[in-house]
Amino acid sequence: GAGVSQSPRYKVAKRGQDVALRCDPISGHVSLFWYQQALGQGPEFLTYFQNEAQLDKSGLPSDRFFAERPEGSVSTLKIQRTQQEDSAVYLCASSLAQGAGQPQHFGDGTRLSIL
Amino acid sequence: AQTVTQSQPEMSVQEAETVTLSCTYDTSESDYYLFWYKQPPSRQMILVIRQEAYKQQNATENRFSVNFQKAAKSFSLKISDSQLGDAAMYFCAYFSGTYKYIFGTGTRLKVLA
Repeated sequence: GAGVSQSPRYKVAKRGQDVALRCDPISGHVSLFWYQQALGQGPEFLTYFQNEAQLDKSGLPSDRFFAERPEGSVSTLKIQRTQQEDSAVYLCASSLAQGAGQPQHFGDGTRLSIL
Repeated sequence: AQTVTQSQPEMSVQEAETVTLSCTYDTSESDYYLFWYKQPPSRQMILVIRQEAYKQQNATENRFSVNFQKAAKSFSLKISDSQLGDAAMYFCAYFSGTYKYIFGTGTRLKVLA
């Protein structure tokens, strides 16, 4: 497809379960970002990949959060032992290259609800 | 640390009228980029307009224009001839040459028919 694709669009999980969220960036985009967007708030940075290298994971809230992009294209955000405060929309974005104010192209997000 | 502030949680505008959304930011950098993104209920963030800090000329994209005041660290978005499809959350974002975007808390724009 032409845009960033995220799946699933909605995910409901029970507290304590593990979840995996997928992001397919735009083909050829080097940079990939994950954001967490709480209800009524702006997106907050979680982690950044340049190709397969995770260059910054400083925004990950805890060691229960893990992201990977093994072949430099598709990325997965995994949350282990989910808790209610993990409920949010998780946005993925990609851009052609790093720097120079390259605009980020966002997916539709995954709305995660933890019961 | 850089911050972005949007002080208007919600704004309303009559169809065909003009509305201005406010954004202020704090930074010690001299070179950076500012963006306005639109997020409709479908959740996809869509780039509205982009401003490079070293350019004094205000960016314009059709009905959307900005008033960039670098000294005041202000970056407002003006929407002219508002349309029903403009209704959305609008986020101001700052980017300073690394890779992190810093977003404001957003302004919900309602367009009244």
